Amino acid sequence: EVRLVESGGGLVKPGGSLILSCAASGFTFTSYSINWVRQAPGKGLEWVSSISSSSSSIYYADSVRGRFTISRDNAKESVFLQMNSLRAEDTAIYYCAREVAPARSWFDSWGQGTLVTVSS
Amino acid sequence: SSELTQDPAVSVALGQTVRITCQGDSLRSYYGSWYQQKPGQAPVLVVYGKNSRPSGIPERFAGSSSGNTATLTIIGAQAEDEADYYCNSRDSSDKHVVFGGGTKLTVL
Repeated sequence: EVRLVESGGGLVKPGGSLILSCAASGFTFTSYSINWVRQAPGKGLEWVSSISSSSSSIYYADSVRGRFTISRDNAKESVFLQMNSLRAEDTAIYYCAREVAPARSWFDSWGQGTLVTVSS
Repeated sequence: SSELTQDPAVSVALGQTVRITCQGDSLRSYYGSWYQQKPGQAPVLVVYGKNSRPSGIPERFAGSSSGNTATLTIIGAQAEDEADYYCNSRDSSDKHVVFGGGTKLTVL
C-alpha cells in the first residue's frame, strides 16, 4: 500500500522556522517526484514546491521562493520542507503528494497533512 | 504563471449528469488532473491526463479537454460525490503547478 505520512507541523511565531517531513512507504521511492501542496483554513489548494526523484529538478511557488527549501533523502525514503521567515499567510495544512509521472503534476497519492499555524 | 478558473459552486440532482469546468491558457498545452476533497480529508485524484482514472475510482467519473477548457463529467451523480473538486495543470513555464479555485458540488 502506498503511504505518505507528514509530520513536523505546529505553532510557530512570525519570522520563525519549521521543518516538515514526509515519510514514504509501499512504493519505489527513488522513481517518483514528490510535491508539497498546502491549504489555508477554508481555502483552496496551493502548490508549494516539487523535487524530482534524483533531486536534480527543484521548483518553488513564487510565494515561498527564498524562504522554503525542499530536499529528500532517498536512503530514508523521506522528503523535507525547511520553512524559514514564516508569515501568518503560511498558516495551512501542508500535504505531500506523489507525482504519477515526472513533470506531469498529476498527484495520485497524498498524505493526511500536517497543520502549520503561524501566530504570535 | 497561469491561472485556472472554476465555477465556485455547482449542483446536480441525484442520478443526473453534471459537468464541472476548468479554464486556463495552460490547458491548451498540458493535460490536467482533477481531485475530489471531502471535509476534513486529503484530496483524492479522480481523473488525470487525457481521460485516465486511478484504480478504485468509479467509471462515472470522466475527463475531457478542448482548447483552454478541461471538463470533469460525473455521469449519474451519487450522494457520496458531494465534495469540493479541484483541477490543476502545469503552468506555462512547465516548472510550476497551478490549481483552480475549486468547485463545491452539491447533490440534491
